[in-house]
Amino acid sequence: DAGITQSPRHKVTETGTPVTLRCHQTENHRYMYWYRQDPGHGLRLIHYSYGVKDTDKGEVSDGYSVSRSKTEDFLLTLESATSSQTSVYFCAISEGEPRARLAKNIQYFGAGTRLSVL
Amino acid sequence: DAKTTQPNSMESNEEEPVHLPCNHSTISGTDYIHWYRQLPSQGPEYVIHGLTSNVNNRMASLAIAEDRKSSTLILHRATLRDAAVYYCILKSVPNTDKLIFGTGTRLQVFP
Repeated sequence: DAGITQSPRHKVTETGTPVTLRCHQTENHRYMYWYRQDPGHGLRLIHYSYGVKDTDKGEVSDGYSVSRSKTEDFLLTLESATSSQTSVYFCAISEGEPRARLAKNIQYFGAGTRLSVL
Repeated sequence: DAKTTQPNSMESNEEEPVHLPCNHSTISGTDYIHWYRQLPSQGPEYVIHGLTSNVNNRMASLAIAEDRKSSTLILHRATLRDAAVYYCILKSVPNTDKLIFGTGTRLQVFP
């Protein structure tokens, strides 16, 4: 497995509470991603990062924020969790460079975090 | 982004070959075809990718139609461990490293 650790692996929380999920990598890959997966859907991109302090929104970013202060860590924060954010969250990494080869780039995924918001 | 169409589910017996189809009729000339799979309770994993020519690796083969409007992932001898959801994804140059997942094909493998 690629050196990707997601924590926690499982979390149950209450509506309105803040939640932070952590993705830690040991591969020194530049690009990192957060996805969510819900029944009936494939994975959907929440936010991504192309480097330290370089982040951008994906297709389902509302209600989520991210931070990347170090290459190895990418944090996903739910400022005020809602029941609609109950999901399985996956982190992914990729080497990312050079840009001309991005379409060939392979992403490696973590094992996921199962989040339940009651 | 160009879209892909895959059957919702397929079945196979163990040790038989499996051909997983993917249609991508709006593919552009610079789109790469990627396949990922997701085993139960795991994150997706990369399987194979190609542009125009057929590709082989230790996991599978990828056959790409001459007009590139379709492709087929071939598992030469299915095992129980190959039971997974298989995703066919197009990636564009130079736009993105992003993966846009559809709902994929759920492959069942029977002993």
